[in-house]
Amino acid sequence: KAGVTQTPRYLIKTRGQQVTLSCSPISGHRSVSWYQQTPGQGLQFLFEYFSETQRNKGNFPGRFSGRQFSNSRSEMNVSTLELGDSALYLCASSFGSSDDTQYFGPGTRLTVL
Amino acid sequence: GQQLNQSPQSMFIQEGEDVSMNCTSSSIFNTWLWYKQDPGEGPVLLIALYKAGELTSNGRLTAQFGITRKDSFLNISASIPSDVGIYFCAGQPSSYSGGGADGLTFGKGTHLIIQP
Repeated sequence: KAGVTQTPRYLIKTRGQQVTLSCSPISGHRSVSWYQQTPGQGLQFLFEYFSETQRNKGNFPGRFSGRQFSNSRSEMNVSTLELGDSALYLCASSFGSSDDTQYFGPGTRLTVL
Repeated sequence: GQQLNQSPQSMFIQEGEDVSMNCTSSSIFNTWLWYKQDPGEGPVLLIALYKAGELTSNGRLTAQFGITRKDSFLNISASIPSDVGIYFCAGQPSSYSGGGADGLTFGKGTHLIIQP
């Protein structure tokens, strides 16, 4: 069974631009969660989508948004990029129950110049 | 918000030694997870714990879900060079309440360095 895939793997943008990252979950998984990983803050939860609806949201500004499609694939968007948005963005998929294990993709490394 | 205290922050050990790391929380978690992350990759699940008091092994790895549901430890026996990496604990809350930060809460990681 294929794992979680994320595209692109690497991205370089400049301040003020916007970016869209994509995540394809493990087949059969309906929940996709997004996390931001930085050296200073570690891994922080952004939001979770289940059946095309945002079910949970972390403490990030509104510049961070996402959506989920009917095939469970998910995208996250960051608008008006700031230098501090440079990070590894990870998505994780699961079946969606509260005690399901989340499996992570390899991440997208975003660098904002 | 919920916080996990993971210790130690880093470990320098000799190949063949046993390793122990732990996480404590101010809140109760329903599930404890241990992940390993290699440079440039996403975290890979090592062990999942679902019941208080549960002790689970995966090869040379052993992890326990604390009886108070506020802590967990991971042991690695007879370390080998490929064990090098960053180990994260993560806690999952008891239920999805919606509208709150109910994703996984991660520790800051334990950086394991093995000297041959």
